Amino acid sequence: DIQVTQSPSSLLASLGERVTITCQTSQSISNNLNWYQQKPGQAPMLLIYYATSLQTGMTSRFSGQYSGRSFTLTITSLEPEDIANYFCLQHYSAPLTFGSGTKLEIK
Amino acid sequence: EVQLQESGPGLVKPSQSLSLTCSVTGYSITSNYWGWIRKFPGNKMEWMGYISYSGSTSYNPSLKSRISITRDTSKNQFFLQLNSVTTEDTATYYCARETDYWGQGVMVTVSS
Repeated sequence: DIQVTQSPSSLLASLGERVTITCQTSQSISNNLNWYQQKPGQAPMLLIYYATSLQTGMTSRFSGQYSGRSFTLTITSLEPEDIANYFCLQHYSAPLTFGSGTKLEIK
Repeated sequence: EVQLQESGPGLVKPSQSLSLTCSVTGYSITSNYWGWIRKFPGNKMEWMGYISYSGSTSYNPSLKSRISITRDTSKNQFFLQLNSVTTEDTATYYCARETDYWGQGVMVTVSS
């Protein structure tokens, strides 16, 4: 199975701050990684697919980049509605595997 | 808009079978792939398996002997059955269309 290491596990940030979350995979997966936002009691929402593509309807404050086996999700200017749990998913090969999640909170 | 909704018992006894239903609206399950994912207490997530548009299935090898995913195309529903459950199967269970649309999840506790 492909291992996905996500960091940090939790993040305290100020409104307006730039935030970065990282996932590193144990082997090359090309760009086959998605990012999700999940708020308590809600369904996970797809933010970024194929590492860099912004899902329709999602704010452009979210962006994704990758280099080799390292993938990043960036929020350019933190807003109150961005408080959530974020996780990544590799869909290069079965079984699909997930990052461990990042809990984003306001400082 | 695609919408998915999980349903099923919230409490299952050890050694019994866990059975969940995913009801899909706004899209036919005879297209794409439809999967089950679970999130354990402590937030670890596990992809369990999927059923394809043609009815073929693929399962996580960690579950292969216990899991079955089936469907009823007339009702636009697909199902999860997990046999011989233990307390380690306590989790929130999600259904999803491939990797884009997810349901809200249903919490299942395995306890006597």
